[in-house]
Order: sequence, then C-alpha cells, then structure tokens
Amino acid sequence: QKEVEQDPGPLSVPEGAIVSLNCTYSNSAFQYFMWYRQYSRKGPELLMYTYSSGNKEDGRFTAQVDKSSKYISLFIRDSQPSDSATYLCAMIRAQKLVFGQGTRLTINP
Amino acid sequence: DTEVTQTPKHLVMGMTNKKSLKCEQHMGHRAMYWYKQKAKKPPELMFVYSYEKLSINESVPSRFSPECPNSSLLNLHLHALQPEDSALYLCASSHEGTGGNYGYTFGSGTRLTVV
Repeated sequence: QKEVEQDPGPLSVPEGAIVSLNCTYSNSAFQYFMWYRQYSRKGPELLMYTYSSGNKEDGRFTAQVDKSSKYISLFIRDSQPSDSATYLCAMIRAQKLVFGQGTRLTINP
Repeated sequence: DTEVTQTPKHLVMGMTNKKSLKCEQHMGHRAMYWYKQKAKKPPELMFVYSYEKLSINESVPSRFSPECPNSSLLNLHLHALQPEDSALYLCASSHEGTGGNYGYTFGSGTRLTVV
C-alpha cells in the first residue's frame, strides 16, 4: 500500500464545472500538505500549502484537510481550459516530500 | 526572486560520458533537493541537502553524485549512466526541511536522455 493514494484519472470535465480532487494517506506523521499543478514537460508548481485541518481558499482554489480521516481535497471552481494539467497532492514527513500519483485533468471548452 | 533555475534544460549523454546538472536559487532557502521523475509518474526523492550538508540519500546508485558548493547552488554529477536513468530531473528548495510556511519550490527540470 502506498503512503499517499491518489486516483490517477484521467478526469475530464466541461469548462465552468467544479472539480474535486482527493488524496488519502496512511501515515499520521505527515504534517504539511500541498497541492501542485504540473503542465506537460514542466516542473511542479505549488498551488496550495496548509498544515492544519480545515479549509484554505485562494481565488478559485480551495484546499481541505481532514487529519482525523487522513484525507485531503482540492476544489477548483469555475474551471478553465488553462487548468488542464496533472495535479499532485504532496505531504511532508521528516524532511521528505511524498507525492501522490497525480490526477490528469482535462477541462473541455 | 522566487525561482529555482536549472541548467541545462535538455541533455543527451552517452553511457560513458560524465556530465553535471546545475541548480540555483536566491530565495535564501537552506534546504535543497534532487528529484527524479519518469513519464506519467510522480517525482521521487533522490537527495536532500540541509544547510549545505547531505542529510538524506534515498539509496541512489553511486553513478549519481550530488554536491552543494554553497547555500544557493546544487549540482548533480552524472557518470556511467544507463538508458533507464533517462528522466526529468527536478531540483527543489525550501526554507528548511519541513517546507517552512511556504512549501517547496521546484525548478523546470532537466530532461535527460541516456543513449
């Protein structure tokens, strides 16, 4: 069993839809949680960073962490074709940033 | 300056060559990382430098040799690589090992092809 589980998709939604991406983890030692966006042939770009349970909002993006359930989510509102990318959840324990498998998202105009 | 700069962007090398990948950041970060990413897979940690000292080596083969000359620079020396080492090599940095309050910043990567 992987430490961080993420459905690889692919996920395809129409423009303007609300997108929900999720990850679960098994190790309670994870303390810091991130979402990265990665376009093809580029490095990962940090979208959201949080370290406590609850919601954090930044523009069209909302990150949600539930430590008791070991579950994190990323919501994208009013999705745009430019949001088409691979989204990676990531979390830190003992100086190690561990990634989920990544979900490939396509927003259709 | 909120960037991690990696050079070269692309590299093709033979199995007997020696080459180096370079990474530079000027954000005052004290932790730097090398990751390897194969196609359609997430990045995998290779090395962690904290305050210019190697703190984690994820059992990486010795044909990969990291070096941290100073707090802004990170190199990855390559020698006698195999075709299966072809991948995107990513450098990242953070304020300190836990990612501080800002997470990890990644460079755009070096796409390495071993022939």
